[in-house]
Amino acid sequence: DAGVIQSPRHEVTEMGQEVTLRCKPISGHNSLFWYRQTMMRGLELLIYFNNNVPIDDSGMPEDRFSAKMPNASFSTLKIQPSEPRDSAVYFCASSFTRGNTEAFFGQGTRLTVV
Amino acid sequence: GENVEQHPSTLSVQEGDSAVIKCTYSDSASNYFPWYKQELGKGPQLIIDIRSNVGEKKDQRIAVTLNKTAKHFSLHITETQPEDSAVYFCAASRQAGNQFYFGTGTSLTVIP
Repeated sequence: DAGVIQSPRHEVTEMGQEVTLRCKPISGHNSLFWYRQTMMRGLELLIYFNNNVPIDDSGMPEDRFSAKMPNASFSTLKIQPSEPRDSAVYFCASSFTRGNTEAFFGQGTRLTVV
Repeated sequence: GENVEQHPSTLSVQEGDSAVIKCTYSDSASNYFPWYKQELGKGPQLIIDIRSNVGEKKDQRIAVTLNKTAKHFSLHITETQPEDSAVYFCAASRQAGNQFYFGTGTSLTVIP
């Protein structure tokens, strides 16, 4: 397996624009996580899906953020409208819930909002 | 919810010395404790993990200890090498929910 695949790797956008980050989890994994990483706040869990259903979205900062998982092999994180304070590295991770196994991370998307 | 605290935030050691990173957690229901290493420009990668039914686990130069009573766990790296330089994160999760709560990270620098 190629691991968790995120796209794009880098995104630079202007304030007010819509941004969509994409994630393909490892095949067979049934949990998917979106994290945001900044120097100030470290790794923050934004939202967690289990079997394609959002279980906990309490980490989503505000209504400008939304996430979907239409099927087991794809998820998106959308920011609309984007703001400079959204600049961060966004990671997607997946795991297999049974047996409480590790989470595998993607390479991340570095988002810069100017 | 779970609260994971990690110390120190930065750590510098001479090559060949040992490095210790400590974490505490608040939720007594947490039973899985992975450690991740993040190199520059990459996502975090698991280096070792421990479950609550075990007090210590070792893998070559890396070891992790867990004290369930005190709710703390530690990462020990012996004979450090420059390639060990990275940011290390501890995490805790419950079996049921499988959400991972991360510490704030430790930036380790191994000085040649």
